[in-house]
Amino acid sequence: EAQLVESGGGLVQPGRSLRLSCAASGFTFDDFAMHWVRQAPGKGLEWVSGIGWNRVSLGYADSVKGRFTISRDNAKNSLYLHMNSLRAEDTALYYCAKTDYCSASSCPFDLWGRGTLVTVSS
Amino acid sequence: EIVLTQSPGTLSLSPGERATLSCRASQSVSIRYLAWYQQKPGQAPRLLFYGASSRAPGIPDRFSGSGSGTDFTLTISRLEPEDFAVYYCQQYGTSLTFGPGTKVDIK
Repeated sequence: EAQLVESGGGLVQPGRSLRLSCAASGFTFDDFAMHWVRQAPGKGLEWVSGIGWNRVSLGYADSVKGRFTISRDNAKNSLYLHMNSLRAEDTALYYCAKTDYCSASSCPFDLWGRGTLVTVSS
Repeated sequence: EIVLTQSPGTLSLSPGERATLSCRASQSVSIRYLAWYQQKPGQAPRLLFYGASSRAPGIPDRFSGSGSGTDFTLTISRLEPEDFAVYYCQQYGTSLTFGPGTKVDIK
């Protein structure tokens, strides 16, 4: 069964860094682009960043550009999000998501993890 | 950036009733790049439709997706108890954006 499991969240002070991980299993990881999506408490979904199967970045939301870096290790079936200069407004549940049903390289997300909670507070 | 607006914000209905959810885009979205997701409390979102009207595996046929251009619709023909949730539309053709969601709750 295909599965995504996020880890690395926690309580962190403003201005500090954190690295999130997403472990994939049950599918051929390096066949698919992957993304991070976040959800602030009680709020909607916000796309954060994506990366192609070949490790080429697919972009960042303006709200995290220059502070977050997405990467992947296909040998380890893992996706990462390096978060620097964290702010209170980065507080959210961070989901990793797998793509499929692509059309011209544009893809929805067909599999999501359960998320890892990041809380930025002093 | 393409901004998605969903209406209504909350839809209060009874089981067995029909639900019609709207997603409107600030500029035209190809039908190939519009998705719908369902999210229940404490759970991750689940893909319902991609390409505006292509049903994801395992999604019951009481759910249907339609629309084109800037106006898209998710319809649930007869609400089952498990359908009460929040529904998000997403466009994935020009970067990626989600709508703010429509909550379908029990009347």
